[in-house]
Amino acid sequence: DAKTTQPPSMDCAEGRAANLPCNHSTISGNEYVYWYRQIHSQGPQYIIHGLKNNETNEMASLIITEDRKSSTLILPHATLRDTAVYYCIVRVGNNQGGKLIFGQGTELSVKP
Amino acid sequence: NAGVTQTPKFRILKIGQSMTLQCAQDMNHNYMYWYRQDPGMGLKLIYYSVGAGITDKGEVPNGYNVSRSTTEDFPLRLELAAPSQTSVYFCASSPRDHEQYFGPGTRLTVT
Repeated sequence: DAKTTQPPSMDCAEGRAANLPCNHSTISGNEYVYWYRQIHSQGPQYIIHGLKNNETNEMASLIITEDRKSSTLILPHATLRDTAVYYCIVRVGNNQGGKLIFGQGTELSVKP
Repeated sequence: NAGVTQTPKFRILKIGQSMTLQCAQDMNHNYMYWYRQDPGMGLKLIYYSVGAGITDKGEVPNGYNVSRSTTEDFPLRLELAAPSQTSVYFCASSPRDHEQYFGPGTRLTVT
């Protein structure tokens, strides 16, 4: 079973920041938090990952709490093209091929 | 680079038939993966490979086989198709233990 908990759906107004929460209370010290998204019918797309520190790239920011039991993915200026299912994933183990266990994800709807 | 390519895009199989789903990547990635996604569900890992000649089972390997004779190719074999294998199949590759790059998927229906 997936080791993360996400809300099943969220709405966001176009141009506003989308903040997607994720709980991973049983995360181990050497496990990373990964975020992927899947736009309808397409293969998943990598967004960002982090271990302890907050991370930012051209797509998003990842905020991880100090106790690492939860995180938030931030899309700073959501567009209609960001409508997708967003998966928060805790990577299972080290040196095991980087296996990812996908849960149900959060379906984000960006509205005009 | 073409990235990760999968063939065919769509396929309909009769129960008991066999087929091979093809996956190829041109990024020289060591790690490759096969996932399946049932309607309304997240992806489940079927098999993965950390390099040519090395494969291992994921969450849902029953009914499938894989081989990895080259770095580029990672075919998935269905020997006796069953309706429960109706799904969308995604192949992915990764340079090591970083982000995974996914193909466009193969939509398989078994009737």
